[in-house]
Amino acid sequence: ELKVEQNPLFLSMQEGKNYTIYCNYSTTSDRLYWYRQDPGKSLESLFVLLSNGAVKQEGRLMASLDTKARLSTLHITAAVHDLSATYFCAVAGGSGGSQGNLIFGKGTKLSVKP
Amino acid sequence: DTAVSQTPKYLVTQMGNDKSIKCEQNLGHDTMYWYKQDSKKFLKIMFSYNNKELIINETVPNRFSPKSPDKAHLNLHINSLELGDSAVYFCASSPTGLAGPHYEQYFGPGTRLTVT
Repeated sequence: ELKVEQNPLFLSMQEGKNYTIYCNYSTTSDRLYWYRQDPGKSLESLFVLLSNGAVKQEGRLMASLDTKARLSTLHITAAVHDLSATYFCAVAGGSGGSQGNLIFGKGTKLSVKP
Repeated sequence: DTAVSQTPKYLVTQMGNDKSIKCEQNLGHDTMYWYKQDSKKFLKIMFSYNNKELIINETVPNRFSPKSPDKAHLNLHINSLELGDSAVYFCASSPTGLAGPHYEQYFGPGTRLTVT
């Protein structure tokens, strides 16, 4: 059974600081997703990582994937208050008809303070 | 244009009732999903469905049933609602099996179900 673990689950940061969220998964998968969720809102797709060594950046967020280590990271550079949200990683699990099912980590609640 | 829409946004009902949540996508995707987000914000896949195959997560009670009148719609029907069914339910869609160059999975706005 595919399991996805994120850490930390809670992260309180000061503006301007850097930090990294980690996502480990238990079995082979070639697709890893990062989503952002604001309180009471839906999930917003941030990154889709498809291959070993993939790195994607958008603004202050950068995601990377190491399929051999089964590890993805979401790096936050010079955090600003607007980045406060819950961040989820998810891995495409299953095969055949269930290959699109996403298995989610528990989420990292990020709070950026002045 | 809204890509994945759900109705209603909020649903409050009593235990034992039967209710449905509707989902529509205008992305031309072949596969649709239902996820449940519990009070601890944990997201779990319930169903995936395309026009050929229904995949049911084995942990989902059979009181929950997806119904798809056509490729653009996947509704969720829940019988005999229980307190533990209170959660936010998200519909999502993607190209079939996330295959090909389009790997995105798009989520609807969610339906907050409260069972009293």
